[in-house]
Amino acid sequence: SAVISQKPSRDICQRGTSLTIQCQVDSQVTMMFWYRQQPGQSLTLIATANQGSEATYESGFVIDKFPISRPNLTFSTLTVSNMSPEDSSIYLCSVVRGHTDTQYFGPGTRLTVL
Amino acid sequence: GIQVEQSPPDLILQEGANSTLRCNFSDSVNNLQWFHQNPWGQLINLFYIPSGTKQNGRLSATTVATERYSLLYISSSQTTDSGVYFCAVEGRGSTLGRLYFGRGTQLTVWP
Repeated sequence: SAVISQKPSRDICQRGTSLTIQCQVDSQVTMMFWYRQQPGQSLTLIATANQGSEATYESGFVIDKFPISRPNLTFSTLTVSNMSPEDSSIYLCSVVRGHTDTQYFGPGTRLTVL
Repeated sequence: GIQVEQSPPDLILQEGANSTLRCNFSDSVNNLQWFHQNPWGQLINLFYIPSGTKQNGRLSATTVATERYSLLYISSSQTTDSGVYFCAVEGRGSTLGRLYFGRGTQLTVWP
């Protein structure tokens, strides 16, 4: 298994500000992902965090709004920029080591934007 | 992308009852996983099951890949089983680990 920590666990922010979420894994992993879960909804993939290069974004998500970094094989950050109340969600990072491997999720960051 | 449909959307049970959750998917998959999201939001992997049957205590899962569905069985349910159960699949030819999630089944178990 993989042990994943996220910081912060929750935050309340004012509209127009930005928040950076950190994801730390206890061992090297092949793939890291960022998901958003809006209230009462399923998980939606924001992007794949690529080590040492630009993230790969899903349709509807852009780098200016959700810049992502992955400087090494165990750490990634997601920034939610210029926040609005519609960004209030749980943000989760997940990791997978290789083919036929289970995907593991971090505990999530609960974001409320006022 | 792959469409993933889960049923039922909501399920309310008395403690001790059994239940079956279903997941249908629209295309061939590399893998399929079942997750439980507890009331605090933590996602716990229950099964990695691209095909066949697996059992873990009171839970078991079966995936029939040729017919594009998977079933999650919960026997002798307990209040701690409450939460949302998600099915997620990785499509053939998709990026490694790129999962498509269903909308989930909200399970409530009453004492």
